[in-house]
Amino acid sequence: RKEVEQDPGPFNVPEGATVAFNCTYSNSASQSFFWYRQDCRKEPKLLMSVYSSGNEDGRFTAQLNRASQYISLLIRDSKLSDSATYLCVVNTNAGKSTFGDGTTLTVKP
Amino acid sequence: EAEVAQSPRYKITEKSQAVAFWCDPISGHATLYWYRQILGQGPELLVQFQDESVVDDSQLPKDRFSAERLKGVDSTLKIQPAELGDSAMYLCASSLQGLAKYNEQFFGPGTRLTVL
Repeated sequence: RKEVEQDPGPFNVPEGATVAFNCTYSNSASQSFFWYRQDCRKEPKLLMSVYSSGNEDGRFTAQLNRASQYISLLIRDSKLSDSATYLCVVNTNAGKSTFGDGTTLTVKP
Repeated sequence: EAEVAQSPRYKITEKSQAVAFWCDPISGHATLYWYRQILGQGPELLVQFQDESVVDDSQLPKDRFSAERLKGVDSTLKIQPAELGDSAMYLCASSLQGLAKYNEQFFGPGTRLTVL
């Protein structure tokens, strides 16, 4: 079993739809959590950090459930430009990062 | 905007040959990471440096891979000899502080390695 697991998708949604991704992690000592976005054949870039109380950045909302060891990303009002792979990242207190394999989203006109 | 530089961008080599990749992190970033990303998978950490010291190389295949960051700035990752299964994207990333649990990692454009 992988330390960080994501549904690979693909998720195919129309413009304007709301879509949610989940990510589960197995290391209960994990301390910090992130969502990165990776466009095809490009490097990953930070989308948002995930805080314990949940946080929102425009159309994006991230939540953390420590008891069940999962994080989620909600995208509202999907745009064509949101098409990408979304990587879940979990850090230990020592700073070791473990990436999930990503969830692929395609937003269609 | 400061960026992580990597070279070469593409490398084609034959198996059993030696290859080397170079990374120059964002100025002032103490932590440097090398990742390997196979198509369809997430990046896998190979080695993590804090300044010039290795803090994690548990996933580095040490029989053929080596990494150094001699002056705590730029870094080189070497593979000798290359094998077919080494074909992947090699990504370098850097972050600002030593205790990186909260810090954003900035990635370079990567080196795409093809081993024939």
